[in-house]
Amino acid sequence: EDQVTQSPEALRLQEGESSSLNCSYTVSGLRGLFWYRQDPGKGPEFLFTLYSAGEEKEKERLKATLTKKESFLHITAPKPEDSATYLCAVNSGNTPLVFGKGTRLSVIA
Amino acid sequence: ETGVTQTPRHLVMGMTNKKSLKCEQHLGHNAMYWYKQSAKKPLELMFVYSLEERVENNSVPSRFSPECPNSSHLFLHLHTLQPEDSALYLCASSQSQGKGETQYFGPGTRLLVL
Repeated sequence: EDQVTQSPEALRLQEGESSSLNCSYTVSGLRGLFWYRQDPGKGPEFLFTLYSAGEEKEKERLKATLTKKESFLHITAPKPEDSATYLCAVNSGNTPLVFGKGTRLSVIA
Repeated sequence: ETGVTQTPRHLVMGMTNKKSLKCEQHLGHNAMYWYKQSAKKPLELMFVYSLEERVENNSVPSRFSPECPNSSHLFLHLHTLQPEDSALYLCASSQSQGKGETQYFGPGTRLLVL
């Protein structure tokens, strides 16, 4: 059974304090790993797709990396507007998409 | 963001009511999905449609009934719901089903069952 575990559950950072969010996964045949951002009361907003170990993608202050067992979302010098829940999901040969519970990020000015 | 729209955005219904949620995608995609998002739980996949055919039904109670009349529209018909069905219902679409395709989500319908 495909599984996704995200840690930490919640993270509180000072503005400018860089950190990383973790997504550990167990799947049979990874076809893609996805990161989304979700603001309260809204639908998830797509950030990145990673397909193979060693792949990296960047967007503004965010950088996603992928290994054979986990993915990291690095946040460099975060701002208060980066506060949101970040969701990780995997697609394998078994299911379209399996999500983790998310990491709730708060960035304090 | 207008790629995937959902109506209504908020819905309050009694347990004996019948209502429908609507989703429309303007991205030219061939696959559409319904998810349920409850507090403290991961998104739960409910239904998958590919080229207007239902390809997955994750043991969802029969009080939820999906309908996909064409590749741009998806409905979720609701009847005799329970209070535990209160949640955020999300619609998504992708170019095709599975195979690493990125799913794009709508804003969701916040449902409260009294």
